[in-house]
Parts: sequence; structure tokens; C-alpha cells
Amino acid sequence: NAGVMQNPRHLVRRRGQEARLRCSPMKGHSHVYWYRQLPEEGLKFMVYLQKENIIDESGMPKERFSAEFPKEGPSILRIQQVVRGDSAAYFCASSPPTGVTEAFFGQGTRLTVV
Amino acid sequence: DAKTTQPTSMDCAEGRAANLPCNHSTISGNEYVYWYRQIHSQGPQYIIHGLKNNETNEMASLIITEDRKSSTLILPHATLRDTAVYYCIALKTSYDKVIFGPGTSLSVIP
Repeated sequence: NAGVMQNPRHLVRRRGQEARLRCSPMKGHSHVYWYRQLPEEGLKFMVYLQKENIIDESGMPKERFSAEFPKEGPSILRIQQVVRGDSAAYFCASSPPTGVTEAFFGQGTRLTVV
Repeated sequence: DAKTTQPTSMDCAEGRAANLPCNHSTISGNEYVYWYRQIHSQGPQYIIHGLKNNETNEMASLIITEDRKSSTLILPHATLRDTAVYYCIALKTSYDKVIFGPGTSLSVIP
């Protein structure tokens, strides 16, 4: 059973371009979470999704950021018109729909805006 | 979810036990104590969780006080690879969103 897969691992974008970060949860997991870690800072919750639904987006910036988790395919975190301040590591996690187990994290996508 | 409090940083000699404390005095009866860690630049890694009883797995032991107001994560024989930031979190279910505090930065020293 493959772990949480994030791609790309590294992404370079010029200011004003769009960034698309993908997250494939573990098999059987229907809950996906996105986190952002700015350089030398802690992990900040961004958004919590279930299949086709956004459950909690309290940590998402109001503009330029969006997330989806379609019925088929990976979850996508989309950042439009990137700025230098968006440079960070973005981590995705997934968990099963029931029970008391753990959330599994991917290895992250490191976005650099130049 | 209950707030947790951890020391900012700790040192531990290689090969010795690392004991990381966590206070969660407002934890409710149905909240579990979870521990995660983040080794530099990597994705967070689950370590262990427990409700009331002490727990042990291949990575660590978790000791929860009888009143559940505090707990201790024990790494029995710390290695240099255990240098990381350790997070103690109170959660009701595995699909509660994990909110990371500042955690404890553990440095294992040769």
C-alpha cells in the first residue's frame, strides 16, 4: 500500500503564474488535508476535504487559493497568480473515514516563486 | 480540541532515553493524545496515540497520567535520527484535522 503521494516534489514558478499541487491519498482514505509551512515556521492547516466536498477551509487565504478533491483522481491545491510569499512547503495528509488511527502525511511539494 | 503545552526545546544524549512532556489539562474524556514528529524538511510522521492506558510500539512509549491532564512520550534509546520537532495533539477521531502547535524541538547530541 503506497503512502500519500505528492507531486511534484519541487515546483518553480514565476510571479503571476499558476501553481498546481497534487496529492494522491492512501488507498481507502476519503479525507484529505493540506498544510503550508513557510520557511523557518510551523505547520499551518489550510483546508480539509472529503470526496467532492470542502469540509473546513478556515486556513485558506481568501484569494488566489483553491482546493478540490474530485470523485476520481487526486486532490489538487491550486494557487493562482503566485507571489514570492507563496514560496513554502505544502504538505498533504490523508486519513480513513472511520476509526481512531493516524493521519498519514506525504513528503510535500516545495514551491519556489522567482 | 484541547490545548496542549510543551517545552520549546530539549536536549538528549545519544543512547539515552528521551522523555518529552506534554500538558493537556483541559482534555475531554473522548479526546485521544496523539504524538507526531517532523524531521527537518520531511512530512510529519505519526508516532503513537492513546486514550487512558499507557501505550508502546516499535518507536516509542506513551505514558498518560491517571487524571489524563499530562503525558510523556518516551524514546527509549535516542539516536541522532530522532532529532526533530515533536508535537503533542489532542484529537477526538483520526479524521479530526491536526492543528500543530510549536512543539518541542528535540536535539540528540552525540
